[in-house]
Formats: sequence, structure tokens, C-alpha cells
Amino acid sequence: GQNIDQPTEMTATEGAIVQINCTYQTSGFNGLFWYQQHAGEAPTFLSYNVLDGLEEKGRFSSFLSRSKGYSYLLLKELQMKDSASYLCAVMDSNYQLIWGAGTKLIIKP
Amino acid sequence: ETGVTQTPRHLVMGMTNKKSLKCEQHLGHNAMYWYKQSAKKPLELMFVYSLEERVENNSVPSRFSPECPNSSHLFLHLHTLQPEDSALYLCASSQEEGSGASKQFFGPGTRLTVL
Repeated sequence: GQNIDQPTEMTATEGAIVQINCTYQTSGFNGLFWYQQHAGEAPTFLSYNVLDGLEEKGRFSSFLSRSKGYSYLLLKELQMKDSASYLCAVMDSNYQLIWGAGTKLIIKP
Repeated sequence: ETGVTQTPRHLVMGMTNKKSLKCEQHLGHNAMYWYKQSAKKPLELMFVYSLEERVENNSVPSRFSPECPNSSHLFLHLHTLQPEDSALYLCASSQEEGSGASKQFFGPGTRLTVL
């Protein structure tokens, strides 16, 4: 079966760096997405990786290794507003998105 | 503001009621989606429409009935629901369906409680 694994919850300190990991086993691969979802709000797009390597976008970076079935989302200079759930999703060979359960990130002052 | 709106934001209904959820996208997209989000579970894709044609139905119970009258509007008609159907129902749209780079834009969701 198809599976996306990410930690259920993480805690970090304001101003620090945190890395949220995502591993996947899917039938085929057509890209990996990261979304941010604040409580009670819509998920919003953060990043898309289809080739190996690091994509940097401001304080957020996303890394992909297709051979390892692995990605991470790196958040730098954490702010209180970064407290949210972070969803990892992989597009399989049928172009269907397979979603992880999300990682709830708690930022402490 | 993502360009996708959903109404109502909250809905409480009994198991014998009939209600409808509405979604509208203002992005000119060709594909629309219904998802179910339960606590601590992955998003579950329910229905996909591309150019107003249904292309995906992931074995959803018949008590959920989608309708896509045009590329900007999507409805989810609900009848004789069960308490386990209580969840956040999210609508999303994308430029096209079946494309790796076509990211999805989500509405804020309808929080449904079935009593």
C-alpha cells in the first residue's frame, strides 16, 4: 500500500531552527508537496519538489531525495506564527495526492 | 484568502437531515476536489471533478452526493449521515487535474457535526 510518514508533533523555540521529516512509499512519484495549516484554517501551499535537492524560499526550505523516499521541511528563525500543522503529500503515478497525517509544530517563547 | 470559499463554515445536523455544502473558486481553475479531514488522520480524497466531469470517486458512501454545475462551483449533498461522518470537509481547486506541478488551493472548510 501507499504510505506517508511524518512525526505527529514537534516542539521548538522561537528563533531556532526545526526540521520536519517525511518518508514515503508510493506507487510512482510525480512530486512532493508541503502545506501549512493553521488551526481552523485552510491548508496553504508551501513548496513543491520533483527533483532531488534543496529548494529555498525565504525562511522555509524543502529537501527531496527520491532514492531514499525522503523529504524534509526546514524552518529557520522560527516565529510564533509558525505554530501550525505541516502536511506532506506525494503525487503518485496516477497523479493522485497521497497525504500524511501532518506534523503539529508548537513554538515556545 | 486563497480564492476558494466554502459555506457554511459550521454545520450541525441530525442523522435524518438533508443539507448541502457549497464551494466556489475564483481562480479560473479547471479541477475541483472534496476532501474529508478527521483529527490526526491524513486527508481523504472523496471526489475529483475536472472540467465539470467527475473523474474520481474513492469508494465514498452514497449518503455523500457531489454536484459540479460549472467549473467554479462544487456542492456536496448530505443525507442520512452517521456520527462518524463528523469531520472537517475541505474543498480545493487546481489549474488542472493530473499534473504534477498543479498545486491545490484549499477553502477554509466546513466543520460538520452529526448528532
